Amino acid sequence: RKEVEQDPGPFNVPEGATVAFNCTYSNSASQSFFWYRQDCRKEPKLLMSVYSSGNEDGRFTAQLNRASQYISLLIRDSKLSDSATYLCVVNIKGGGNKLTFGTGTQLKVEL
Amino acid sequence: DTGVSQDPRHKITKRGQNVTFRCDPISEHNRLYWYRQTLGQGPEFLTYFQNEAQLEKSRLLSDRFSAERPKGSFSTLEIQRTEQGDSAMYLCASSLESLNTEAFFGQGTRLTVV
Repeated sequence: RKEVEQDPGPFNVPEGATVAFNCTYSNSASQSFFWYRQDCRKEPKLLMSVYSSGNEDGRFTAQLNRASQYISLLIRDSKLSDSATYLCVVNIKGGGNKLTFGTGTQLKVEL
Repeated sequence: DTGVSQDPRHKITKRGQNVTFRCDPISEHNRLYWYRQTLGQGPEFLTYFQNEAQLEKSRLLSDRFSAERPKGSFSTLEIQRTEQGDSAMYLCASSLESLNTEAFFGQGTRLTVV
């Protein structure tokens, strides 16, 4: 089983739609959680950290469920510019403190 | 530009040749990571340094791969006797020493082994 699992998509949604991605992680010692965004042929960039209480940044909301070991990202009012791959990332304390990435979920926002 | 820089951006090499990539992290970052990414996959961890110490190396990493960070600043990743399966994007990232800190990535070195 992969340490971090995501549905690769693609998710094709119309502009203005709300879309949600989920991610599951296998190591219960995971301590930090992030969503990164990666545009085609570009490097990954941090979208937002995910906190236990959930957090929101504009149209983006991240949630963490430690009991079920999953993380979610909700994007409201999708824009064409949101089209990208969204990478779920986990940092495991005692696991070398390395960031472990999921495969990524591809989002395509269409007119 | 004070971000992470990688050199070269692209490298085409013949099978069996050795290649070396360089990464210059953000200057105050003491952590430096190397990742490999192939099409349709997320970045796969290769190794990481804290200052000059190499603290972890992926078990999946062949002994043809070696990385150094001699003075705790820039790092090099060398691949010996390249194989076609080594073709990928090699990404370097750096961060401060903290579980919750952001890792900043360079633009990567795209390796093609022919």
